Amino acid sequence: GAVVSQHPSRVICKSGTSVKIECRSLDFQATTMFWYRQFPKQSLMLMATSNEGSKATYEQGVEKDKFLINHASLTLSTLTVTSAHPEDSSFYICSAPTGYTDTQYFGPGTRLTVL
Amino acid sequence: AQSVTQLGSHVSVSEGALVLLRCNYSSSVPPYLFWYVQYPNQGLQLLLKYTTGATLVKGINGFEAEFKKSETSFHLTKPSAHMSDAAEYFCAVSNDYKLSFGAGTTVTVRA
Repeated sequence: GAVVSQHPSRVICKSGTSVKIECRSLDFQATTMFWYRQFPKQSLMLMATSNEGSKATYEQGVEKDKFLINHASLTLSTLTVTSAHPEDSSFYICSAPTGYTDTQYFGPGTRLTVL
Repeated sequence: AQSVTQLGSHVSVSEGALVLLRCNYSSSVPPYLFWYVQYPNQGLQLLLKYTTGATLVKGINGFEAEFKKSETSFHLTKPSAHMSDAAEYFCAVSNDYKLSFGAGTTVTVRA
Protein backbone atom coordinates (compact mmCIF):
# COMPACT_ATOMS: atom_id res chain seq x y z
CA GLY A 1 0.00 0.00 0.00
CA ALA A 2 0.85 3.66 -0.12
CA VAL A 3 3.32 5.04 2.40
CA VAL A 4 2.88 8.10 4.57
CA SER A 5 5.64 9.25 6.90
CA GLN A 6 5.66 11.65 9.83
CA HIS A 7 8.48 13.49 11.49
CA PRO A 8 9.33 13.60 14.30
CA SER A 9 7.94 10.45 15.82
CA ARG A 10 8.25 11.89 19.29
CA VAL A 11 8.83 15.39 20.60
CA ILE A 12 9.03 16.92 24.04
CA CYS A 13 8.86 20.67 24.38
CA LYS A 14 8.43 23.35 27.01
CA SER A 15 5.17 25.15 27.51
CA GLY A 16 4.93 28.23 25.32
CA THR A 17 7.09 26.97 22.49
CA SER A 18 5.95 25.99 19.00
CA VAL A 19 6.34 22.57 17.46
CA LYS A 20 6.19 21.62 13.80
CA ILE A 21 5.14 18.16 12.64
CA GLU A 22 5.66 17.03 9.07
CA CYS A 23 3.53 14.61 7.10
CA ARG A 24 4.80 13.28 3.78
CA SER A 25 3.32 11.03 1.16
CA LEU A 26 6.33 9.06 -0.05
CA ASP A 27 5.13 7.32 -3.19
CA PHE A 28 2.09 9.29 -4.29
CA GLN A 29 0.84 12.83 -4.54
CA ALA A 30 -1.80 14.07 -2.15
CA THR A 31 -3.71 17.25 -2.80
CA THR A 32 -5.52 16.64 0.45
CA MET A 33 -4.23 15.40 3.77
CA PHE A 34 -5.95 15.07 7.12
CA TRP A 35 -4.76 15.70 10.64
CA TYR A 36 -6.12 13.78 13.62
CA ARG A 37 -5.36 13.83 17.30
CA GLN A 38 -5.77 10.93 19.63
CA PHE A 39 -5.82 11.07 23.41
CA PRO A 40 -4.75 8.00 25.40
CA LYS A 41 -7.20 5.13 25.17
CA GLN A 42 -9.47 7.17 22.90
CA SER A 43 -10.43 7.27 19.26
CA LEU A 44 -9.09 9.57 16.58
CA MET A 45 -10.68 12.97 16.19
CA LEU A 46 -10.38 14.82 12.92
CA MET A 47 -8.81 18.23 13.45
CA ALA A 48 -8.51 19.66 9.97
CA THR A 49 -8.23 19.05 6.27
CA SER A 50 -5.03 20.24 4.64
CA ASN A 51 -5.48 21.42 1.07
CA GLU A 52 -2.59 21.92 -1.31
CA GLY A 53 -2.66 25.45 -2.69
CA SER A 54 -5.40 26.73 -0.42
CA LYS A 55 -6.27 27.24 3.21
CA ALA A 56 -6.89 24.37 5.53
CA THR A 57 -10.41 23.71 6.73
CA TYR A 58 -10.83 23.11 10.44
CA GLU A 59 -13.35 21.04 12.28
CA GLN A 60 -15.63 22.70 14.76
CA GLY A 61 -13.91 23.52 18.00
CA VAL A 62 -10.36 23.38 16.64
CA GLU A 63 -8.46 26.66 16.98
CA LYS A 64 -6.97 27.50 13.61
CA ASP A 65 -4.58 30.05 15.09
CA LYS A 66 -3.21 27.47 17.46
CA PHE A 67 -2.90 24.61 14.98
CA LEU A 68 -1.37 26.08 11.85
CA ILE A 69 -1.49 23.90 8.78
CA ASN A 70 0.50 24.44 5.62
CA HIS A 71 0.27 22.18 2.59
CA ALA A 72 3.54 23.19 1.00
CA SER A 73 3.57 20.73 -1.88
CA LEU A 74 1.75 17.72 -3.26
CA THR A 75 3.69 15.48 -0.89
CA LEU A 76 4.07 17.56 2.27
CA SER A 77 1.75 18.97 4.89
CA THR A 78 2.89 20.49 8.17
CA LEU A 79 1.07 21.01 11.43
CA THR A 80 2.51 23.63 13.78
CA VAL A 81 1.27 23.67 17.34
CA THR A 82 1.84 27.26 18.45
CA SER A 83 2.39 28.30 22.04
CA ALA A 84 1.99 24.74 23.16
CA HIS A 85 0.51 23.95 26.55
CA PRO A 86 0.37 20.68 28.49
CA GLU A 87 -3.21 20.09 27.36
CA ASP A 88 -1.92 19.94 23.77
CA SER A 89 0.00 16.80 24.66
CA SER A 90 -1.41 14.09 22.44
CA PHE A 91 -0.75 11.69 19.62
CA TYR A 92 -1.05 13.46 16.27
CA ILE A 93 -1.65 11.39 13.17
CA CYS A 94 -1.91 12.43 9.55
CA SER A 95 -3.48 10.61 6.67
CA ALA A 96 -3.77 10.98 2.93
CA PRO A 97 -6.04 9.42 0.33
CA THR A 98 -4.41 8.05 -2.80
CA GLY A 99 -6.82 9.89 -5.00
CA TYR A 100 -8.80 7.40 -6.99
CA THR A 101 -9.94 5.35 -4.04
CA ASP A 102 -11.57 6.28 -0.79
CA THR A 103 -8.80 4.67 1.21
CA GLN A 104 -6.81 6.71 3.68
CA TYR A 105 -3.23 5.81 4.42
CA PHE A 106 -2.00 6.86 7.81
CA GLY A 107 1.32 8.09 9.05
CA PRO A 108 2.92 6.42 12.08
CA GLY A 109 1.97 9.30 14.34
CA THR A 110 3.82 11.88 16.42
CA ARG A 111 3.75 11.79 20.20
CA LEU A 112 3.82 15.36 21.53
CA THR A 113 4.54 15.96 25.18
CA VAL A 114 4.41 19.52 26.47
CA LEU A 115 6.04 20.07 29.84
CA ALA B 1 -24.14 13.00 9.19
CA GLN B 2 -22.38 9.67 9.30
CA SER B 3 -21.22 7.82 12.37
CA VAL B 4 -20.22 4.41 13.63
CA THR B 5 -20.77 2.67 16.92
CA GLN B 6 -18.51 -0.08 18.10
CA LEU B 7 -20.14 -2.38 20.62
CA GLY B 8 -17.74 -3.48 23.30
CA SER B 9 -14.69 -1.46 24.21
CA HIS B 10 -12.74 -4.57 25.14
CA VAL B 11 -12.78 -8.11 23.80
CA SER B 12 -10.75 -10.94 25.27
CA VAL B 13 -10.36 -14.18 23.36
CA SER B 14 -8.32 -17.33 23.68
CA GLU B 15 -5.68 -18.08 21.10
CA GLY B 16 -7.32 -20.06 18.32
CA ALA B 17 -10.82 -18.83 19.13
CA LEU B 18 -13.13 -16.76 16.97
CA VAL B 19 -12.67 -13.01 17.03
CA LEU B 20 -15.85 -10.96 16.54
CA LEU B 21 -15.82 -7.18 16.69
CA ARG B 22 -19.12 -5.38 16.20
CA CYS B 23 -19.69 -2.18 14.28
CA ASN B 24 -22.94 -0.48 13.38
CA TYR B 25 -23.11 2.56 11.18
CA SER B 26 -25.42 5.43 10.48
CA SER B 27 -25.35 7.03 7.07
CA SER B 28 -27.71 8.97 4.86
CA VAL B 29 -25.92 7.77 1.74
CA PRO B 30 -24.45 4.42 0.72
CA PRO B 31 -21.51 4.13 3.09
CA TYR B 32 -17.88 3.41 2.55
CA LEU B 33 -16.80 1.40 5.58
CA PHE B 34 -13.38 0.54 6.92
CA TRP B 35 -11.67 -1.43 9.63
CA TYR B 36 -8.28 -0.27 10.85
CA VAL B 37 -5.89 -1.80 13.37
CA GLN B 38 -3.57 0.18 15.62
CA TYR B 39 -0.64 -1.21 17.55
CA PRO B 40 0.71 0.76 20.53
CA ASN B 41 2.28 4.08 19.59
CA GLN B 42 1.76 3.48 15.90
CA GLY B 43 -0.46 4.80 13.17
CA LEU B 44 -3.41 2.96 11.69
CA GLN B 45 -3.16 0.07 9.27
CA LEU B 46 -6.02 -0.73 6.93
CA LEU B 47 -7.44 -4.19 7.47
CA LEU B 48 -10.21 -4.09 4.90
CA LYS B 49 -12.80 -1.85 3.32
CA TYR B 50 -16.25 -1.98 1.77
CA THR B 51 -17.19 0.43 -0.99
CA THR B 52 -19.52 -1.33 -3.40
CA GLY B 53 -20.06 -4.83 -4.76
CA ALA B 54 -19.54 -7.99 -2.77
CA THR B 55 -20.80 -7.61 0.77
CA LEU B 56 -18.32 -10.09 2.24
CA VAL B 57 -14.95 -8.42 2.27
CA LYS B 58 -11.70 -10.21 2.95
CA GLY B 59 -8.76 -8.34 4.37
CA ILE B 60 -5.26 -8.88 5.59
CA ASN B 61 -4.18 -11.23 8.38
CA GLY B 62 -7.19 -13.49 7.92
CA PHE B 63 -9.82 -10.90 8.82
CA GLU B 64 -13.07 -10.45 7.00
CA ALA B 65 -16.19 -8.35 7.41
CA GLU B 66 -19.69 -8.49 6.05
CA PHE B 67 -21.71 -5.46 5.07
CA LYS B 68 -25.36 -5.93 6.03
CA LYS B 69 -27.47 -3.03 4.90
CA SER B 70 -30.62 -4.31 6.58
CA GLU B 71 -28.83 -4.39 9.92
CA THR B 72 -26.62 -1.34 9.25
CA SER B 73 -23.71 -3.45 10.41
CA PHE B 74 -20.14 -4.16 9.36
CA HIS B 75 -18.85 -6.68 11.89
CA LEU B 76 -15.25 -7.88 11.74
CA THR B 77 -14.35 -11.52 12.23
CA LYS B 78 -11.37 -13.80 12.25
CA PRO B 79 -11.88 -17.55 12.66
CA SER B 80 -8.79 -18.21 14.76
CA ALA B 81 -7.11 -15.60 16.94
CA HIS B 82 -3.35 -15.30 17.07
CA MET B 83 -1.31 -13.61 19.77
CA SER B 84 -0.25 -10.99 17.22
CA ASP B 85 -3.90 -9.90 16.85
CA ALA B 86 -3.74 -8.14 20.19
CA ALA B 87 -4.27 -4.49 19.29
CA GLU B 88 -6.83 -1.69 19.04
CA TYR B 89 -9.37 -1.95 16.26
CA PHE B 90 -11.32 0.93 14.77
CA CYS B 91 -14.34 0.88 12.53
CA ALA B 92 -14.78 3.97 10.37
CA VAL B 93 -17.17 5.44 7.83
CA SER B 94 -16.05 7.80 5.10
CA ASN B 95 -17.71 10.98 3.91
CA ASP B 96 -15.82 12.64 1.08
CA TYR B 97 -12.57 11.14 2.39
CA LYS B 98 -13.21 12.38 5.94
CA LEU B 99 -13.25 9.46 8.32
CA SER B 100 -15.47 9.22 11.36
CA PHE B 101 -14.16 6.60 13.76
CA GLY B 102 -15.82 4.47 16.32
CA ALA B 103 -14.53 4.53 19.87
CA GLY B 104 -12.35 1.51 19.24
CA THR B 105 -12.20 -2.03 20.60
CA THR B 106 -9.19 -3.36 22.43
CA VAL B 107 -8.49 -7.00 21.69
CA THR B 108 -6.48 -9.12 24.07
CA VAL B 109 -5.53 -12.68 23.25
CA ARG B 110 -5.04 -15.24 26.02
CA ALA B 111 -2.54 -18.01 25.55
